[in-house]
Amino acid sequence: DQQVKQNSPSLSVQEGRISILNCDYTNSMFDYFLWYKKYPAEGPTFLISISSIKDKNEDGRFTVFLNKSAKHLSLHIVPSQPGDSAVYFCAASASNNDMRFGAGTRLTVKP
Amino acid sequence: KAGVTQTPRYLIKTRGQQVTLSCSPISGHRSVSWYQQTPGQGLQFLFEYFSETQRNKGNFPGRFSGRQFSNSRSEMNVSTLELGDSALYLCASSLAVGSDIQYFGAGTRLSVL
Repeated sequence: DQQVKQNSPSLSVQEGRISILNCDYTNSMFDYFLWYKKYPAEGPTFLISISSIKDKNEDGRFTVFLNKSAKHLSLHIVPSQPGDSAVYFCAASASNNDMRFGAGTRLTVKP
Repeated sequence: KAGVTQTPRYLIKTRGQQVTLSCSPISGHRSVSWYQQTPGQGLQFLFEYFSETQRNKGNFPGRFSGRQFSNSRSEMNVSTLELGDSALYLCASSLAVGSDIQYFGAGTRLSVL
């Protein structure tokens, strides 16, 4: 069962514009959410996280928004840079339980 | 369509023992990747198998090994377990090697005592 879904397998944006990656989840018990970034032939690396007590967390060009009522989170990258081109995974967990991952979205930032 | 299945879900072993974890990919997927997740190190890539051959390998000692069968099912083996091997081991399947889109299993939680 896919408790975490990333419905867009790919996204293409122009350099300097905003990239918005979306993630939906079904388990209302999830209280911690993360985004990972993955380059080809490498493992995913942690990017940014948010707990359910917040609805926004910002780190430089990266901002994650959480909408608990809609069971939806999004990652905003602004301004987007060519080096941001990678696959982005969202993940969610419920208090000390194992994490569930989405299938990933490939972001391509064109110069 | 069934998702990625990992067995067992939980495992307790003692130092020095060896362990084998299993991963059944989504039907039709031929690539299986293994990851180790720990609170301190995050998600680390172990290796990727495609068509019964290891295609990519992360930076783990030789105690960590794997294999893939003709039906694409994969096993991961850790020998001479150490306390630091306690982690969540995740398997992800995809259609082809190096594919962007990977579907993760629920993981096997290994505790080494």
